[in-house]
Amino acid sequence: QEQLQESGPGLVKPSQTLSLTCTVSGGSISSGGHYWSWIRQHPVKGLDWIGYIYYSGSIYHNGSTDYNPSLKSRVTISGDTSKNQFSLKLKSVTDADTAVYYCARVHCSSIACYPYEAFDIWGQGTMVTVSS
Amino acid sequence: EIVMTQSPATLSVSPGDRATLSCRAGQTVGNNLSWYQQKPGQAPRLLIYGASTRATGIPARFSGSGSGTEFTLTISSLQSEDFAIYYCQQYNYWPTFGQGTKVEVK
Repeated sequence: QEQLQESGPGLVKPSQTLSLTCTVSGGSISSGGHYWSWIRQHPVKGLDWIGYIYYSGSIYHNGSTDYNPSLKSRVTISGDTSKNQFSLKLKSVTDADTAVYYCARVHCSSIACYPYEAFDIWGQGTMVTVSS
Repeated sequence: EIVMTQSPATLSVSPGDRATLSCRAGQTVGNNLSWYQQKPGQAPRLLIYGASTRATGIPARFSGSGSGTEFTLTISSLQSEDFAIYYCQQYNYWPTFGQGTKVEVK
């Protein structure tokens, strides 16, 4: 059973870039199965899906991504398969980006793995505050 | 964006009673609907996916129903550990979550 752990700064200044990393243990992000996502939880606004990354298992596949349209202009999700990690970068942050950030595994059905699905394994979450 | 609306915002229930939570989608999502439980300081925990399939290790007192735009999570006999916030999430399109229903002790 995979475990996920977020890491990164808990405080980011306005207009700067938020950077977080999710380390996956107990499974490989690059084996061509699951999609891997970032989700955030605002104190008031609730849960927002940020985006995902996916590796097909081919050595020629550098990972494919998709993002929440409302964040797409500011978000980059990337991966480091050698470390079994995937990362989030959110640029030009404001106080509206203050939230708990979670990484999560996308659930696979018995038939196949799809990018849009439930989230079956979550990290513990990390609080990020945007403040000067 | 598909807007998910949960009701009620707060549900007061006595231990042992039945709890019924509702979730409505702004447009049809088929059966691409999941439910989560979240306790303070913890990540959400997947309870139900595919509108009605319990996730691994979830007790049988949790059941989900519905399709299209109307969905229900039922907890048949509330245990002390079930008092928490419950969220629905659709994944027919890019994922969106409801605002949550808090189940509290009556």
